[in-house]
Amino acid sequence: LAKTTQPISMDSYEGQEVNITCSHNNIATNDYITWYQQFPSQGPRFIIQGYKTKVTNEVASLFIPADRKSSTLSLPRVSLSDTAVYYCLVGFDSNYQLIWGAGTKLIIKP
Amino acid sequence: DGGITQSPKYLFRKEGQNVTLSCEQNLNHDAMYWYRQDPGQGLRLIYYSQIVNDFQKGDIAEGYSVSREKKESFPLTVTSAQKNPTAFYLCASSRQGRTVDEQYFGPGTRLTVT
Repeated sequence: LAKTTQPISMDSYEGQEVNITCSHNNIATNDYITWYQQFPSQGPRFIIQGYKTKVTNEVASLFIPADRKSSTLSLPRVSLSDTAVYYCLVGFDSNYQLIWGAGTKLIIKP
Repeated sequence: DGGITQSPKYLFRKEGQNVTLSCEQNLNHDAMYWYRQDPGQGLRLIYYSQIVNDFQKGDIAEGYSVSREKKESFPLTVTSAQKNPTAFYLCASSRQGRTVDEQYFGPGTRLTVT
């Protein structure tokens, strides 16, 4: 059964680069990897999406190795406002259920 | 303004009562989703719909029901059969029901049942 694994929590400091990894050993050939950010009492919002190699936008980068069994969300120069929970979404399993990671709570300290 | 609206933001009900949560989108999206989130936990899929008049059960559909009579609306009913209905409920939509399609989330409804 397809599954994802993320660290439960991470701490970092303002101005640092933060990397959060999601493991997805059984990702399907045609599935994309998407990362979302959620603040307390709000709905998640899209950060970045990729299929393979590297994708970069104005807020983050996403690194996906050739075997696609994991992905790493990279947040450059984080600030206090990046404190949030980050989820990876990697597709549907064989029962057509969405495969969400459990979320990584990122705390940025001053 | 395009987006997803959920109402109300807070909802209180007595145990044994059914309650319906509203979700509307004006993004012209085909797919819509309902998630439940408990404190400190991740997202759990309740139901999703890829097209009007069709929907599929998610991981935790027991005690919930949905309808999709219109493209823009996907109401969720929490029935009295749901053992622990108190939670934060999130509705989302996407252009189609593929993982490449970004999900847009509503602001959520916090349901408290006593």
